[in-house]
Amino acid sequence: KAGVTQTPRYLIKTRGQQVTLSCSPISGHRSVSWYQQTPGQGLQFLFEYFSETQRNKGNFPGRFSGRQFSNSRSEMNVSTLELGDSALYLCASSLDGYNEKLFFGSGTQLSVL
Amino acid sequence: AQKITQTQPGMFVQEKEAVTLDCTYDTSDQSYGLFWYKQPSSGEMIFLIYQGSYDEQNATEGRYSLNFQKARKSANLVISASQLGDSAMYFCAMREYYGNNRLAFGKGNQVVVIP
Repeated sequence: KAGVTQTPRYLIKTRGQQVTLSCSPISGHRSVSWYQQTPGQGLQFLFEYFSETQRNKGNFPGRFSGRQFSNSRSEMNVSTLELGDSALYLCASSLDGYNEKLFFGSGTQLSVL
Repeated sequence: AQKITQTQPGMFVQEKEAVTLDCTYDTSDQSYGLFWYKQPSSGEMIFLIYQGSYDEQNATEGRYSLNFQKARKSANLVISASQLGDSAMYFCAMREYYGNNRLAFGKGNQVVVIP
């Protein structure tokens, strides 16, 4: 069974641009969560999608948004990039998101110049 | 609000030795789950072990065991017989099932296994 796939692996953008990251969960998993990891703040929860609906949201500004498609694949979008958005963005999937382990992808390393 | 504390500095461990990584947590929920993940330099978070708040037995998964002390709100990870491939960051995480149900992570512990 294929694991969680995140694309692209690396991204370099400049301030003010927008970016879209993609996550393909493990087959059969319907819950997809996104996390931001930085050296200073550690791992922070962005949001969770289940069956195409945002079920949970962290404390990030509206520039961070996401969506989930009918095949459970998810995208995360960041508009008007800031230097502080440079981070490793990790996606995790699980069957239904409750009482179970999350399987993570290798992440997308975003650098904002 | 959830809070996970991992305060140990980076650790050097001799190969084949056991290592214990400390984790304390704070929650007012009665139903929650505790997780440990490993993150090697490649970046991927790898699930190691899970303990539910109502589980009476300490969880074990191969060389990993979780020393769960509910009254102390402690969930320490024990890695037995360390291997060179165990060198990584280790994160403790908690999920409150009747709270916000999001996985909250500690800051992590760096472990380097030396031959």
